[in-house]
Amino acid sequence: EAGVAQSPRYKIIEKRQSVAFWCNPISGHATLYWYQQILGQGPKLLIQFQNNGVVDDSQLPKDRFSAERLKGVDSTLKIQPAKLEDSAVYLCASSFFKLGGYTFGSGTRLTVV
Amino acid sequence: AQKITQTQPGMFVQEKEAVTLDCTYDTSDPSYGLFWYKQPSSGEMIFLIYQGSYDQQNATEGRYSLNFQKARKSANLVISASQLGDSAMYFCAMRELSTGANNLFFGTGTRLTVIP
Repeated sequence: EAGVAQSPRYKIIEKRQSVAFWCNPISGHATLYWYQQILGQGPKLLIQFQNNGVVDDSQLPKDRFSAERLKGVDSTLKIQPAKLEDSAVYLCASSFFKLGGYTFGSGTRLTVV
Repeated sequence: AQKITQTQPGMFVQEKEAVTLDCTYDTSDPSYGLFWYKQPSSGEMIFLIYQGSYDQQNATEGRYSLNFQKARKSANLVISASQLGDSAMYFCAMRELSTGANNLFFGTGTRLTVIP
C-alpha cells in the first residue's frame, strides 16, 4: 500500500509569512495526526482528526496554527504568521482506527528566517 | 513530568555487536503501550517494535527486542548484530490507552552510530 504522502518536503520562509503543508494519509485510514518535531526533541502532537472531526487540538497554538481535513481524507496544516520558533519538521501520520498503529510520512522541514 | 525519558543522547556500537538503548516511562494509566521508532536522516519515523502493558512476554521483531521491566517502568530496546544501516535516531514513545486517545508521547531520542 502507498504510504503517507506529505508535501512540500522542504520550505524556507521569512518570519510573519504564511505557509501551508499538505498530507494525504493511507487510503482508508480514518485517524490523522499532525506532529511538530523541533530539532533535538521528540515529536509533539499538534492535532488529531477522526475522519473530518477534531479529536484533540489542545497543543495547537490556535492564534497562528490552523488545520483542516476536508471530506475526511487529505489534510492541510497552516501557519499564519510564522515565527522563528516554528522552525521544525512537521510530521503527518495516520492510523486505520483510533487505537491503531501509526504510519508516519517523511515530514516537511520548515525553516523560518 | 516527562512521560518518556531517554537519558542517552548518543551511543556508539561496533558493527555486529549488540546495543541497548534506554527508555523509562511515567504513567498512572494501568493500560498503555510502548513503541520504538527509528528515524534516519531522511526524516520518516519507522516503527520497530511494540510492547503492551499487559503483555507477559518481551516483544521481539527480528534483530529488535524490547526488555520490558514493568516494576521499574523501563522499556529498553536491544538491537542485536548491529549493521551500518542501523545508524539513526531512535525514539521511545508511549500511548495511554485508558484515555481513549491515540496520541503518542515521545522521548528526546538517542542517536545511534554504528562503527565499521
